[in-house]
Amino acid sequence: DAKTTQPPSMDCAEGRAANLPCNHSTISGNEYVYWYRQIHSQGPQYIIHGLKNNETNEMASLIITEDRKSSTLILPHATLRDTAVYYCIVRGGNLYGGATNKLIFGTGTLLAVQP
Amino acid sequence: KAGVTQTPRYLIKTRGQQVTLSCSPISGHRSVSWYQQTPGQGLQFLFEYFSETQRNKGNFPGRFSGRQFSNSRSEMNVSTLELGDSALYLCASSLHWGTGELFFGEGSRLTVL
Repeated sequence: DAKTTQPPSMDCAEGRAANLPCNHSTISGNEYVYWYRQIHSQGPQYIIHGLKNNETNEMASLIITEDRKSSTLILPHATLRDTAVYYCIVRGGNLYGGATNKLIFGTGTLLAVQP
Repeated sequence: KAGVTQTPRYLIKTRGQQVTLSCSPISGHRSVSWYQQTPGQGLQFLFEYFSETQRNKGNFPGRFSGRQFSNSRSEMNVSTLELGDSALYLCASSLHWGTGELFFGEGSRLTVL
């Protein structure tokens, strides 16, 4: 699975959009980008994933560049409850029967939403 | 719909003992994965199960083992505990195998003295 690079920490004002970047320059054609977050003392929470098109759900939007070497997770109106560590994960699809749920977590970005 | 349930939530053991952790997946979910989280190593994959079969295993010693039952519930066992096994052990379930959309429990925090 491709390695990802994320800034260790970011701040965001409450009510503003939080834009979390992720670099995955070695991503291959069949690998998806997943985002999870982990609020202190809780298990990780799935946010969103995408292959090459931009994706949006009730939690966030995922913007993937055309060359797929980087992506941005957007929380449109950050609240204090969005303070968490955000993980960007690149994961291969099912190839040659090698299906797996394995996720390789990096160190993530600690997003601190300020009042 | 109930989430992933892990028991016990907290436990303290001494070196050399063994421990069993339990995970009940979301109803209808057939795949269960286990992860270890420590301050030094972060989140690391332990193993995953689907249809009572271990499908993948992380880079952990043989002291770490697990199993899945016919009702999809899973247990993991750590034998001959070491101080370094102190960690948050997280279980995650998914509806299908081979999906990256996992639902995590709140974990079992193990302290080894």
